[in-house]
Amino acid sequence: DIQMTQSPSSMSASLGDRVTITCQASQDIGNNLIWFQQKPGKSPRPMIYYATNLANGVPSRFSGSRSGSDYSLTISSLESEDMADYHCLQYKQYPYTFGAGTKLELK
Amino acid sequence: EVQLQQSGAELGKPGTSVKLSCKVSGYNIRNTYMHWVNQRPGKGLEWIGRIDPANGNTIYAEKFKSKATLTADTSSNTAYMQLSQLKSDDTAIYFCAMGPIYSPFAYWGQGTLVTVSS
Repeated sequence: DIQMTQSPSSMSASLGDRVTITCQASQDIGNNLIWFQQKPGKSPRPMIYYATNLANGVPSRFSGSRSGSDYSLTISSLESEDMADYHCLQYKQYPYTFGAGTKLELK
Repeated sequence: EVQLQQSGAELGKPGTSVKLSCKVSGYNIRNTYMHWVNQRPGKGLEWIGRIDPANGNTIYAEKFKSKATLTADTSSNTAYMQLSQLKSDDTAIYFCAMGPIYSPFAYWGQGTLVTVSS
């Protein structure tokens, strides 16, 4: 199975900060990666498809990038509504696998 | 508008089974794969498996091969997941999720809480 190592597991940041969350894939997944945002008591919401493509309706302060086997989700200027859990998912190969998640909190 | 409506919370005794449903409106499930994902209390997301409703083909994560059974009824546009031999470790929220090929997992159900307790 492909392992997705997500970091950090939690972080606190201030409004307006630039925030980056990373997932490292144990095998080649190409760009077959989705970033999800999940707020308490809610279903996950896809934010980034195919590693770098913004999903419909997602603010432009969110972006995705790839460097080799490292995939990053960046929020350019943190807003209060961005406080949530973030998960990555590889969908290159079955079984699909998620990262362990990152809890983003307000400092 | 695409909507996935999942069945209500379940309380199951150890050793029994439960069957969850996910009824889709606004999208023909024949044209997608339906995935199931769980989330244990305070934990991350875990992919359980997926079904191709057009032909019933299924793929499961290894640890769920003897736990979960995925089925679909295209006439009612509904997907199902049966969980068998329930244990306390199966206590979790279970989500169904689907989407077109260019945006898989675009649409999610609201989740069904399964609590296993004697």
